Amino acid sequence: DGGITQSPKYLFRKEGQNVTLSCEQNLNHDAMYWYRQDPGQGLRLIYYSQIVNDFQKGDIAEGYSVSREKKESFPLTVTSAQKNPTAFYLCASWAGYEAFFGQGTRLTVV
Amino acid sequence: KQEVTQIPAALSVPEGENLVLNCSFTDSAIYNLQWFRQDPGKGLTSLLLIQSSQREQTSGRLNASLDKSSGRSTLYIAASQPGDSATYLCAVTFGNEKLTFGTGTRLTIIP
Repeated sequence: DGGITQSPKYLFRKEGQNVTLSCEQNLNHDAMYWYRQDPGQGLRLIYYSQIVNDFQKGDIAEGYSVSREKKESFPLTVTSAQKNPTAFYLCASWAGYEAFFGQGTRLTVV
Repeated sequence: KQEVTQIPAALSVPEGENLVLNCSFTDSAIYNLQWFRQDPGKGLTSLLLIQSSQREQTSGRLNASLDKSSGRSTLYIAASQPGDSATYLCAVTFGNEKLTFGTGTRLTIIP
């Protein structure tokens, strides 16, 4: 099936650790995005990439990093510099006119 | 700043009623507007997409309208069912391929 796969579904991070969230798509879309969602708030853009080997910061990029070495993959690393990482993270790809989302990863700091 | 607003934040209606969800945006130079549904703990499911040149789109019991001049979109749900209970998000693309989301309306259909 074509779509966007995020893994893992749940992730637990200890204080001071870096963790990486996976996002893979087989839709052949050039553009991919990472959003963060907190309770009662809308989605906020962390990073986006419009083409392989290129990416731009979104509205809340501090404490996060990304790479785009392959068209299909756009992993997000939550670094120890992110002081409040507990949230729901959503990955999306863009078809040129419409966005498609994965099922999300819930990250919790323990 | 380009902003998207959804009011109310929560809405409860009896089963079978028709209802309207509202979305407003600050910049009329939009590329398109999408309505999404989100169930608790899940990702977003696209419901309807309206291009900037269109006035409305329909899918089953759902109808979305777009009025760029007033900066408004509405999502009309006919004959509501308990399965329609979810959070509905409006997202606007302002021409730079970045979706800007509203904070959503949490809809509860009362059986």
